[in-house]
Amino acid sequence: EAGVVQSPRYKIIEKKQPVAFWCNPISGHNTLYWYLQNLGQGPELLIRYENEEAVDDSQLPKDRFSAERLKGVDSTLKIQPAELGDSAVYLCAVPREGSYEQYFGPGTRLTVT
Amino acid sequence: AQSVAQPEDQVNVAEGNPLTVKCTYSVSGNPYLFWYVQYPNRGLQFLLKYITGDNLVKGSYGFEAEFNKSQTSFHLKKPSALVSDSALYFCAVRDQGGSQGNLIFGKGTKLSVKP
Repeated sequence: EAGVVQSPRYKIIEKKQPVAFWCNPISGHNTLYWYLQNLGQGPELLIRYENEEAVDDSQLPKDRFSAERLKGVDSTLKIQPAELGDSAVYLCAVPREGSYEQYFGPGTRLTVT
Repeated sequence: AQSVAQPEDQVNVAEGNPLTVKCTYSVSGNPYLFWYVQYPNRGLQFLLKYITGDNLVKGSYGFEAEFNKSQTSFHLKKPSALVSDSALYFCAVRDQGGSQGNLIFGKGTKLSVKP
């Protein structure tokens, strides 16, 4: 978890409301990932950034999800409007320098009621 | 398409006994394989990886994993389980296709170590 900050840690909203999650890779990384982890499942990629550019967003539901990484450092993931099925943990990750594994943040647990 | 499978939803082990958490993979080309652990309300922590070299790789907290190409497996092992090892364990493979660098995870195995 060291090196990737996410906020908020927990969020409860009513359906149809907007919500945003924030990720800051403290050490600075060109590559940044957002993953979605449903209860009882492994994480699934939502979007991958190389600096400011989203190079893989094929799994991002673009009708309601959006993301940005304006300065190539921190990133924001937004859902508008949220649906009950969006309840999950949203994880941010960066690659370890010179290696293949990824560092994950603690995640944001979203509950939509 | 690359994928990993974790056939066990849960593994129960007595403290002090050896443990094995199973993972099989399906990839085109050479696999880059990983194990992660997730404790309650925390993010995923990297345990170990296989990229190339010795089939037996050692990682954090006394865990090791054995790469078996003929059986397309990458089982996680520990000689003597601790109660504190109780957590969710995820096997992952690096996407070697169009989404290079992305990790593809299994659904996870819950390890429960009883005193």
